[in-house]
Amino acid sequence: NAGVTQTPKFRILKIGQSMTLQCTQDMNHNYMYWYRQDPGMGLKLIYYSVGAGITDKGEVPNGYNVSRSTTEDFPLRLELAAPSQTSVYFCASSQTGGSFEQYFGPGTRLTVT
Amino acid sequence: QKEVEQDPGPLSVPEGAIVSLNCTYSNSAFQYFMWYRQYSRKGPELLMYTYSSGNKEDGRFTAQVDKSSKYISLFIRDSQPSDSATYLCAMPPSRAGGTSYGKLTFGQGTILTVHP
Repeated sequence: NAGVTQTPKFRILKIGQSMTLQCTQDMNHNYMYWYRQDPGMGLKLIYYSVGAGITDKGEVPNGYNVSRSTTEDFPLRLELAAPSQTSVYFCASSQTGGSFEQYFGPGTRLTVT
Repeated sequence: QKEVEQDPGPLSVPEGAIVSLNCTYSNSAFQYFMWYRQYSRKGPELLMYTYSSGNKEDGRFTAQVDKSSKYISLFIRDSQPSDSATYLCAMPPSRAGGTSYGKLTFGQGTILTVHP
């Protein structure tokens, strides 16, 4: 199993550009999550999904959108990139919610200039 | 007040030292307590989790929960250079009142360096 994979690994965007961060998991997990990690700030939940076709906002959703058309894929869309979106983005998945272990991808480092 | 507070460090110790990493939390409904380890430029991975109060040991690692003080700790015995990483505490919301959907609340993470 590859686990959770994310592309791209790195990206530099200009202010106002848009992009999609890709996330795929091969563990047949229903739950998937997007986090951002800023230095010294821990992980903040952006969006999550409990299954195909079902998504909901997390703690910091502004400026982002998601979709979940399949169990495997959970892309994160950035519209009109801003410098405040410079961060490391992690996708994660879990078998179910609650206290169950979340498996993280390797992250995407995004810089908006 | 943040729901979960963790001293970001950085913490630098010599090889073989006992390391203590700590988090405090404000939500008394938290029942599960997790520790994730994150190596540089990698995603976090679950190291240990405990339920309610008490201790849990796994090799050189011991997780301790004191619910009366809302304080959790991770101890690393005989620390090794390979333990150098960021350690994040995390807590899912209580199941009471509905499904939590795994919306973990993370501490800020403590950067640990173990030097030979």
